[in-house]
Formats: sequence, structure tokens, C-alpha cells
Amino acid sequence: GENVEQHPSTLSVQEGDSAVIKCTYSDSASNYFPWYKQELGKRPQLIIDIRSNVGEKKDQRIAVTLNKTAKHFSLHITETQPEDSAVYFCAASHPSGSARQLTFGSGTQLTVLP
Amino acid sequence: NAGVTQTPKFQVLKTGQSMTLQCAQDMNHEYMSWYRQDPGMGLRLIHYSVGAGITDQGEVPNGYNVSRSTTEDFPLRLLSAAPSQTSVYFCASSPGQGWNQPQHFGDGTRLSIL
Repeated sequence: GENVEQHPSTLSVQEGDSAVIKCTYSDSASNYFPWYKQELGKRPQLIIDIRSNVGEKKDQRIAVTLNKTAKHFSLHITETQPEDSAVYFCAASHPSGSARQLTFGSGTQLTVLP
Repeated sequence: NAGVTQTPKFQVLKTGQSMTLQCAQDMNHEYMSWYRQDPGMGLRLIHYSVGAGITDQGEVPNGYNVSRSTTEDFPLRLLSAAPSQTSVYFCASSPGQGWNQPQHFGDGTRLSIL
């Protein structure tokens, strides 16, 4: 099955700086890569996603890049703000046979210091 | 729309007891799934369903049963609770086949097994 590794597990940045979280996946057939943000005690919420036919996608201060050859994708947050503090999860998904499911990374605790 | 509704929000069980976690969605989504979230391990898929009458196992199905008699409801049953099942459980739904679509999560059920 698919295996998704996420780094770092914790990340602290100064307000206004950029934050980068990286994920690698094992199954080259995976073709959908979402990112979820989870605030303490809350539900995970989708913040951005990318499909394998696209190399980069941006939404205001958030961007995701995908390198299919190397099988890794990254989340970039620019001009970080205290409200960006949360746990971020990457995931990978592929349609092969009965394995139509998302596999999540283990999460990154991002802390934005004022 | 209420989105995805999970009940109960909190539950404490004794080892060996059984219970059902309820999940309902009002978005007419075909795909529904159950995840468990443990510290440092991200979200792991327990069971999923691609439509009424169709269910399949995810990564960690042992000790859990599911059924999907309607599009709206996807209950998760713990057959004989064990301390290892202490976790936060999230139900999610998405349109279409689900594996390549944004997941809409419920607020979660925090379950403790004594």
C-alpha cells in the first residue's frame, strides 16, 4: 500500500517568516495530494490540494508544489501569522483496485511565534 | 446544510463493552469513511464506503464493523472495546468516488476505553 512520510514533525517560525513542510510518497500511481489543517480540538479542514497533472498551485499565502519524479510534495506558507499555528497533514491518494483511499502523513505541528 | 454530524462527542467505555458511533451527512455524498487519530500517527483509515450497500476495509479495520444502508448514514461499531481503541474517531464524506476529492470531516468522537 501507499506510505506517506512527513517532515518535520514540529516547526517553529517567527511571525512574517515562511514555513515549508515536506512529504514523500511511495506509490507512483498516486495522483491526488491534499493538505489539511487541524486546530487544537477541531476537525481537519482542507486548505489546498494538487493533482498529478499540475506542478504547482497557489492560494493567497499558501502554495503546494509537486515533484512526481522524486515522489515528493511540499506546502509553503508565506508571511505566517499566529492563526496559522496548527497541525498540518499531507495525504496521498490513488485509485488502484480496492485501495481507493487517502493515506495521511503523521502531521507537522506549526507554531508561529509573535 | 449541517455537513457531517457525529454523535456522541465523548464516550467512556469499559473493556469488553460494545457501542456504535453515529455519522450522518446531508450533502448527498457517495463516499464516507471512518478514521482514527492517535498522537503522532496522523489519521488512519478504518473502513470506507463508496455508496449505499458497499463497504470496504481500510488500514486498521480489526475490531470494528460498519454498514451503509442509506446514503446519509455510516455507523461504526466497536464489537468488544479494548484499551487500544482509545482514540479520537473522525467520520468524513466526499462526493463521487471520494479518493480524489476533498474530505468533509465531522467534529470527532473522543473515546476512552478503561
